[in-house]
Amino acid sequence: QSVLTQPPSASGTPGQRVTISCSGSSSNIGSNTVNWYQHLPGAAPKLLIYSNNQWPSGVPDRFSGSKSGTSASLAISGLQSEDEADYYCAAWDDSLNGYVFGTGTKVTVL
Amino acid sequence: EVQLVESGGGLVQPGGSLRLSCAASEFTFSTYWMTWVRQAPGKGLEWVANIKEDGSEMYYLDSVKGRFTMSRDNAKNSLFLQMNSLRAEDTAVYYCARVRAGGGFDPWGQGTLVTVSS
Repeated sequence: QSVLTQPPSASGTPGQRVTISCSGSSSNIGSNTVNWYQHLPGAAPKLLIYSNNQWPSGVPDRFSGSKSGTSASLAISGLQSEDEADYYCAAWDDSLNGYVFGTGTKVTVL
Repeated sequence: EVQLVESGGGLVQPGGSLRLSCAASEFTFSTYWMTWVRQAPGKGLEWVANIKEDGSEMYYLDSVKGRFTMSRDNAKNSLFLQMNSLRAEDTAVYYCARVRAGGGFDPWGQGTLVTVSS
């Protein structure tokens, strides 16, 4: 059972902005940085955002991350059809002494 | 191009064992923490284990402690996951990934499927 909670789904039309929330606690998001992953069906997961709001090389700045207290969020602006995927937040948890993923959010482009 | 390639997955009976391998290339393997993550059918991503650069520290998901052992061979740029006492709930695609110094797992391998069933 994941300790990071995300909405199961989100959607938008091409060009719109979509935001995904990630709720945790003081032992994970509250005390460690948050990373976001994109997982397309049949493909390897891909790191989208690291250290709350940093982009790995090659990731477009349409994707942006933020963190406040024990919550984090991922925003996708200028939504494109290729953004249809599952998105996961993740962070180290000091109480569990392990890495925890969020429950995942499926993004649909209408 | 940095590459990770998993192998060793397959069908195994409950209580059986399997050893997964992950071959790394095009980066200095011995200077990175590495990780295993799995995804059960229809479920989300679940972290399984991490190992330090020199193999001196490992961290495990509670449900696999005592059953799974993560190891590495830096001379052969290889990562391993020895899985014993396998259960149906261990059925998943297992991915290996490199742990970035700045945070996050990147890149990931393509995954190898482990099916535990009689």
